[in-house]
This record gives sequence, C-alpha cells and structure tokens, in this order.
Amino acid sequence: NAGVTQTPKFQVLKTGQSMTLQCAQDMNHEYMSWYRQDPGMGLRLIHYSVGAGITDQGEVPNGYNVSRSTTEDFPLRLLSAAPSQTSVYFCASRGTSGNEQYFGPGTRLTVT
Amino acid sequence: GENVEQHPSTLSVQEGDSAVIKCTYSDSASNYFPWYKQELGKGPQLIIDIRSNVGEKKDQRIAVTLNKTAKHFSLHITETQPEDSAVYFCAADSGGYQKVTFGTGTKLQVIP
Repeated sequence: NAGVTQTPKFQVLKTGQSMTLQCAQDMNHEYMSWYRQDPGMGLRLIHYSVGAGITDQGEVPNGYNVSRSTTEDFPLRLLSAAPSQTSVYFCASRGTSGNEQYFGPGTRLTVT
Repeated sequence: GENVEQHPSTLSVQEGDSAVIKCTYSDSASNYFPWYKQELGKGPQLIIDIRSNVGEKKDQRIAVTLNKTAKHFSLHITETQPEDSAVYFCAADSGGYQKVTFGTGTKLQVIP
C-alpha cells in the first residue's frame, strides 16, 4: 500500500492564482481531511469528509473548496490564492473502526 | 471549544537521557489522546495513543500517562537516540474530525 499520497510536494503561486492540491489514499478509508500547518500553531483542520459525496467545514475553511467524488480522492482547491495561505498542507485519512489518522507527506505552498 | 497547550516548544537532551513532553486540555469530553512524531519533510505519524479509561500505556522506550482529573497527559521517551530527533505533537479528541485539537508541537533534539 502507498498509504496517503499528495501532489505536488512544492508549489509557488502568485496572489490571485488558483490551484488544486491532490490527495489520494489506497486504504479504503471512509474519512479524509485536510490540515494546514503553520509555525507555532500546530495542525488546523480546513475541510473533512466522512464518505464519498459528503464534505464539511473545519476550523479554517475560508478560501478553500473540497469535493469527494470517490473514496480514494480528496482534492483541495484554492480559489484565489492569498499570501495568508502560505503554509504546509497535509491530507489525512482514517478508517471507521479506529481513531488513528494516517497523514500524507505534505505540500509546501508559497503564495507571493 | 477544546484548547490544547503543549510544553516545552523545544527540548534538547543528551543521547541516553529521558525526554518528557507535557500537554494540557480543557474539554472534559475528550477521550482519546494520540501522540504524533513528525520527521523533517514528512507528515505526522502516530507513535502512541491512550484512551481516557487508561492511566498509562507503554511501548518499548515510549510511554504516555494521562491524568483525567488534572486534564493533562505526557509523553515519556527513555534512553533517547539521535533518531528520536523530530517534532512531536499531542492531540485531544472528543469524537469526530471537527473535535480533534492538536498541540503546537515540541521540537526534540537528541545530542549524540
């Protein structure tokens, strides 16, 4: 199993540009989520999904959209990038039988 | 909402010494407390967890203790090795993605 994969690993955007961060998992997990990690602030939940077709907002959802058309994929869309979205983004998945979250390797995004 | 405080933010120990990282939480409904290790350039990985009906759990050189009355839990690493150098995150979970709150992280450096 590859686990949770994310692409790209690094990305630089200009203010106002849009892009999609990709996330996929091959563990047949129902639950998937996106976090951002900023210095001194831990991990903050952006959006999450409890199954295909079902998504909900987390703690910091503004400026981001998600969709979940399949169990495997959970892309995160930045609609109009802002410097405040400069961060490291992690995707995670979890099965229904336990609490352990499996994290991807992260995407480091810089918005200039 | 839940508030998780983690201390210290940085910790340097000599190889072979013990390291202790402490977290406090505020929501008495939290019942699951995982600890994650994040190596440079990688996503967080679960290393040990504890549920609210248990006071202590040990796995080789790492252990976690929980004091529900005082609302604090701690990670103990004994006989530290250079490969233990990483950032460690605690979290408090009262059920569901929107109810997982992470600490701000502790950067542990083990000096050979």
